[in-house]
Amino acid sequence: DGGITQSPKYLFRKEGQNVTLSCEQNLNHDAMYWYRQDPGQGLRLIYYSQIVNDFQKGDIAEGYSVSREKKESFPLTVTSAQKNPTAFYLCASSSRGFLNTEAFFGQGTRLTVV
Amino acid sequence: GDSVTQMEGPVTLSEEAFLTINCTYTATGYPSLFWYVQYPGEGLQLLLKATKADDKGSNKGFEATYRKETTSFHLEKGSVQVSDSAVYFCALSEQNAGNMLTFGGGTRLMVKP
Repeated sequence: DGGITQSPKYLFRKEGQNVTLSCEQNLNHDAMYWYRQDPGQGLRLIYYSQIVNDFQKGDIAEGYSVSREKKESFPLTVTSAQKNPTAFYLCASSSRGFLNTEAFFGQGTRLTVV
Repeated sequence: GDSVTQMEGPVTLSEEAFLTINCTYTATGYPSLFWYVQYPGEGLQLLLKATKADDKGSNKGFEATYRKETTSFHLEKGSVQVSDSAVYFCALSEQNAGNMLTFGGGTRLMVKP
């Protein structure tokens, strides 16, 4: 079955540590996205990539980094520079953006700083 | 810039009640409009969409009509079920904004038996 997979589902980070969230898709989609969701708020775009080896900052990129070395994979690293990383992180993919094609979302990773 | 405003929740209804979740938007161009649903502990799923004025999106008994004159896309369902309990997000996408999605804040719906 085609889909988009995020791992792990739950992640705990100590202060000052970098952590990497995985996102893999087998839908042959060109575009991939990372969103952050805070309680009671909508989703905010962190980074997006429309093609391999290229990515763009979203609205809240500070303290995060990404790579897009393979079409199927778009990992997100939450660095120690991110002051408030506790949140629910969602990865999505689409063939050509959200306008006329359906986007698929992963199940999310809940990151907690301990 | 683009923005989406939806009614704050939680919305609590009894089973078989009528549901309306209001959504209004601000856009510079001519956006496509979407409703996504998020069940507890999961990612988002597309519920329905509309791409031009007066289009009605529908799915699983939910409906929403693209109203350009009032810049609205209200979600309705005639008879909710307990299984409809979830968070509902209104969103828009514009071609001149790179086809990115702009989300509203989400509305939590709780349906009681």
